[in-house]
Amino acid sequence: AQSVTQPDIHITVSEGASLELRCNYSYGATPYLFWYVQSPGQGLQLLLKYFSGDTLVQGIKGFEAEFKRSQSSFNLRKPSVHWSDAAEYFCAVGGHTGTASKLTFGTGTRLQVTL
Amino acid sequence: DAGITQSPRHKVTETGTPVTLRCHQTENHRYMYWYRQDPGHGLRLIHYSYGVKDTDKGEVSDGYSVSRSKTEDFLLTLESATSSQTSVYFCAISIYQNKELFFGEGSRLTVL
Repeated sequence: AQSVTQPDIHITVSEGASLELRCNYSYGATPYLFWYVQSPGQGLQLLLKYFSGDTLVQGIKGFEAEFKRSQSSFNLRKPSVHWSDAAEYFCAVGGHTGTASKLTFGTGTRLQVTL
Repeated sequence: DAGITQSPRHKVTETGTPVTLRCHQTENHRYMYWYRQDPGHGLRLIHYSYGVKDTDKGEVSDGYSVSRSKTEDFLLTLESATSSQTSVYFCAISIYQNKELFFGEGSRLTVL
């Protein structure tokens, strides 16, 4: 069965500081990997995705993530955080089998940004 | 914008009453999903649909049923709501063979 672990429930960073949110997954083959962001009271917005190929993927809002197969990780990074990045971030994993997209989500990391 | 509308956006109901949440999409996508979001659990798949009248169970389907009589509408029904079903429910769609999900704004359900 596929699973996702986001070990950090809550992270606080200062505006302008760098950010790394951790994500570890379990999947028996090459996974699809995603990062979503959720602002309070809103739905989830896709930040970036990894399907295959280049293991460093770029997303919206200046975010990037690196797929490391040997570590089963897909950590999200941003070099300089803005106050508007405060939100909850979810990592998700899915498989290549079938055509439905039955993603499994992590429990989320809430990011607080201090000014 | 994936053209997904959920209704109602907020509902308060009592234990034992039936509840139906509606997801409407405007772009005729084949795949639709219902997830629930709870603190400490992230999002968990309840049911999904791969076409009209074609549905299947997800991870947490007990106590829920779904129906899809038209491509554009996917209904989630709680036949007899319980307090454990208090949650935020999200509808999502995916585009064929493109695995990313596009989410609606969510429906907050409180069961007293």
